[in-house]
Amino acid sequence: EVQLVESGGGLVQPGGSLRLSCVVSGFSDHYMDWVRQAPGKGLEWVGRIRNKANGYTTEYAASVKGRFTISRDDSKNSVYLQMNSLRSEDTAVYYCARGEAVAGHYNYYGMDVWGQGTTVTVS
Amino acid sequence: DIQMTQSPSTLSASVGDRITITCRASQNINTWLVWYQQKPGKAPKVLIYQASSLQSGVPSRFSGSGSGTEFTLTITGLQPDDFATYYCEQYYTYPHTFGQGTKLEIK
Repeated sequence: EVQLVESGGGLVQPGGSLRLSCVVSGFSDHYMDWVRQAPGKGLEWVGRIRNKANGYTTEYAASVKGRFTISRDDSKNSVYLQMNSLRSEDTAVYYCARGEAVAGHYNYYGMDVWGQGTTVTVS
Repeated sequence: DIQMTQSPSTLSASVGDRITITCRASQNINTWLVWYQQKPGKAPKVLIYQASSLQSGVPSRFSGSGSGTEFTLTITGLQPDDFATYYCEQYYTYPHTFGQGTKLEIK
């Protein structure tokens, strides 16, 4: 079964750190994204990590660049979001989501598999 | 960053209606646009990709159109299950950006 399961959310003080995990099952070798949603607000793309064929390179939203780091361990079927220097505005539900398997706009069909989300509260 | 602006922010409609949601990009994004549906407490679901391609398993009452800077999502013959919030996402360039959402309510 194709599935994503996030974990690692919780309550953290401003300036603190947290690492979210996303366990992947049923597929491999896709780009992986993180998206967040603040309480009562819309979706915000956080960043992505490409697959091995594309060098595991990363992209980030300006709001998190330099504070958040996305990594992956394909041997553990896992993707991670390391969040440092957390701020109150980082409070949100964080989702991991599946992107494309092959690079290129024509190969992106949207984020077609999502986890259930994990809640991060910075207070 | 490319700004995506959806209108309206809220839309009231009845079962059986035809509705249209608009998404405008702050610059040309070709057809690199996705539409999602999100229900409360749930993760988003892809409806349309590449502006007009229907995701597998999505009912044909959903359709998308547009290119460049203006895009529309149309639902023809609203069903009770369609009342949700809809988002557009551009993937022309990084960072990917979403519209602010359109909440579709029952009239």
